[in-house]
Amino acid sequence: AQKITQTQPGMFVQEKEAVTLDCTYDTSDPSYGLFWYKQPSSGEMIFLIYQGSYDQQNATEGRYSLNFQKARKSANLVISASQLGDSAMYFCAMREALTGANNLFFGTGTRLTVIP
Amino acid sequence: DVKVTQSSRYLVKRTGEKVFLECVQDMDHENMFWYRQDPGLGLRLIYFSYDVKMKEKGDIPEGYSVSREKKERFSLILESASTNQTSMYLCASSYFKRGSGELFFGEGSRLTVL
Repeated sequence: AQKITQTQPGMFVQEKEAVTLDCTYDTSDPSYGLFWYKQPSSGEMIFLIYQGSYDQQNATEGRYSLNFQKARKSANLVISASQLGDSAMYFCAMREALTGANNLFFGTGTRLTVIP
Repeated sequence: DVKVTQSSRYLVKRTGEKVFLECVQDMDHENMFWYRQDPGLGLRLIYFSYDVKMKEKGDIPEGYSVSREKKERFSLILESASTNQTSMYLCASSYFKRGSGELFFGEGSRLTVL
């Protein structure tokens, strides 16, 4: 089974609007971390936001927030007030504590296009 | 700022050639990783290392080997390149069990095998 599922291959959003990128995960580990990365066309992976499984509050970083619904095993990324520079691939990822290592499992990504 | 540097942004090799992809990080991270990225498949882990001379197989290690002789350097080796290894290769590093453990990535190496 896929550990991370991103069901939206592509999304479009109007500039200045908010957009939600979906991510669901699958783990039996009670301790895990969820990450979102942005990959612009230049190729580098940029870390955006992190949510720990025991964190009580949803994570926020500037215009990015993570809508963490533990019972539904979802960790959607919300981008508010979209900008043209937000056009990129977005990857959701998970780390499981039981593996003992710090490697992340990645989803297949969502390509976001911001329309002027 | 953390810097992860990959030696080549673009490489073109022929089938059967030996290929070295080098990665260097300057933040004294214990962990280093090699992923490959293919359209529609996301990032898949090839190998990782949590210490000098230590290595662990990831999800798709076949056809690859790695070397970590120094803490800051992690090399990916394709002993005999094949066309199905044409891909984007991403190196990453992180602290071992410190902070959120996010990975810091290099800019990627796009390999084409003819």
